[in-house]
Amino acid sequence: NAGVTQTPKFQVLKTGQSMTLQCAQDMNHEYMSWYRQDPGMGLRLIHYSVGAGITDQGEVPNGYNVSRSTTEDFPLRLLSAAPSQTSVYFCASSYGQRYTFGSGTRLTVV
Amino acid sequence: AQSVTQLDSQVPVFEEAPVELRCNYSSSVSVYLFWYVQYPNQGLQLLLKYLSGSTLVKGINGFEAEFNKSQTSFHLRKPSVHISDTAEYFCAVKNEDSNYQLIWGAGTKLIIKP
Repeated sequence: NAGVTQTPKFQVLKTGQSMTLQCAQDMNHEYMSWYRQDPGMGLRLIHYSVGAGITDQGEVPNGYNVSRSTTEDFPLRLLSAAPSQTSVYFCASSYGQRYTFGSGTRLTVV
Repeated sequence: AQSVTQLDSQVPVFEEAPVELRCNYSSSVSVYLFWYVQYPNQGLQLLLKYLSGSTLVKGINGFEAEFNKSQTSFHLRKPSVHISDTAEYFCAVKNEDSNYQLIWGAGTKLIIKP
């Protein structure tokens, strides 16, 4: 099925470790984004991309890096994990007003 | 700056009763409006959206929402809820001329009492 694929679904990291959350879409959407979801705060935009080679910061970018070398892939890198980055992460792609979300990655930093 | 306020963090309601989940937004420009649902331990699913035209929008699972420009509101309603409607509901807004960015409310948990 066409859509947005996120991996892994669950991850536990130790403080200071780094990791990459993967996101891939097969709909040829130009726009992709990463959100984090925390209780009582809704979704907050971390980074977004409007096309291959173009990325920009969202509302809460600190501690995260992104790159967009292809239209399909938009990985999110945690450089040095901190307990404050414990959250559920969603990747999304969109075309016009049509958004497709991945199933999420539940990350715990201990 | 845009913002979205969901006035209730939780709404308890008896099964088969009607429900309204409130959403207000602030924006200096025209907007598109969305409601998403998140079932426990799942991702986000679009319930409905308002882009233009009729201010009453019908969505999936019997939900509807009404766009009120003067009150900057987009409240979600269902005439009769079922236990399967137990979920968290999110309102989101996007400027018509934005770079695709969605601004989200904090969410409302709908709790269905048997």
